[in-house]
This record gives sequence, structure tokens and C-alpha cells, in this order.
Amino acid sequence: DAKTTQPTSMDCAEGRAANLPCNHSTISGNEYVYWYRQIHSQGPQYIIHGLKNNETNEMASLIITEDRKSSTLILPHATLRDTAVYYCIVRVAGNAGKSTFGDGTTLTVKP
Amino acid sequence: DTEVTQTPKHLVMGMTNKKSLKCEQHMGHRAMYWYKQKAKKPPELMFVYSYEKLSINESVPSRFSPECPNSSLLNLHLHALQPEDSALYLCASSQDPLGTVTDTQYFGPGTRLTVL
Repeated sequence: DAKTTQPTSMDCAEGRAANLPCNHSTISGNEYVYWYRQIHSQGPQYIIHGLKNNETNEMASLIITEDRKSSTLILPHATLRDTAVYYCIVRVAGNAGKSTFGDGTTLTVKP
Repeated sequence: DTEVTQTPKHLVMGMTNKKSLKCEQHMGHRAMYWYKQKAKKPPELMFVYSYEKLSINESVPSRFSPECPNSSLLNLHLHALQPEDSALYLCASSQDPLGTVTDTQYFGPGTRLTVL
């Protein structure tokens, strides 16, 4: 699986959009980009995933660059409850689910 | 129901004890996973069961013994653990481990294990 690089931490004002970047320059053509988050002392929560097209669901949007070497998770209107560690994972889908988590970004949403 | 449940929530055990962690899901998922997470670190994959058969063992010491009695249940048997095994143990499941869009993992809340 390709490695990912994320900033260690980020702050965001409540109500503003939170844009979390992820670099995955060695991504292969059949590897998907997944995002999870982990709120303190809870299990990771699936947010969104994509292959090459931008994706949106009720939680967030995922923007993948045309060369697929980086992506951005967007939380459109961050709330205090969005404070968490956000993990970007790149892996081949359908390989029995083996996932390698990187160190993630700690997002702190401030009032 | 998109819930993965884990019991117990907390467990304290001595190095000579034998204990088990339990994980359950009723979503019809056919893959289940054990992860270990140390404080301020990302989760690390330990085991993967695919259609009730062990498909991945990430070189985990034999003092950790997984068991998948049926498609809804996953156990992790613990024996002769060391203090450094203290961690949050997470269980996850996914619908179809071989599908390209159906292998998204859903995690339980974890069991906080302390080995004295």
C-alpha cells in the first residue's frame, strides 16, 4: 500500500470549512483513498473514500487531484464535535481489507 | 444497524491470567478484524478473518489467539500477556473483503486492556 503524508495538526474555527490535505505521491492506479476519523477514546469512524472522481456524502467531500498524488478532505461547516484525529489511508480495495493507518492529522475546532 | 459491539469496555489482567475479548456484528459482514492501538499512535492491524477463515496474521505473538466461531462473532483470547501489551484493542468488520466498494471497515468502540 502507498504511504501517506499528513500534517500533524490543524486548527479550524467553528462554522468554517476544514480542509485536511493528504499527500500520496506513490499511489497506484488501483488504489483508493479512504478517510477515517477517531474521536478521543472511540473507534475510528469511516468518512468517505474515492478512486479518482471527487466524492461527497452527508459528512464530507473528497477532492482528489487529477494526478491522484494528493487529496483534500473537506468538512464544510466544522463543529466542535468534529475535533478528532483524521486518517488518510491509501490501499487496494477488495484485498481482504488490509489497511495501514498513517499518523493522521489532529484537527481542533475552536469556538 | 451499523454497529460493532465489543465487550468488555475495560479489562485489567495479570500476566498469568487468561482472558478473552469479544466482538459482535449483525450487519451480515463477512470480514472481521482485530487492531491494536497504543496511546497517541494509529491503529495497527493484527488479524483479518475473511469468510470465517483467518486470512491475515501480521506476525502477532502467539499469546494472542483469534477465533471466529461464526460470521457474526470474533474473539481474541489472551494468555501470558506482558505489560507492553496494554493498549486499546479495536474490532472492525466489512461487508465483503473481496469487493471493491464493499470492504469499508466499521469499527467498534474498543476494549481498553491493562496488563499488570
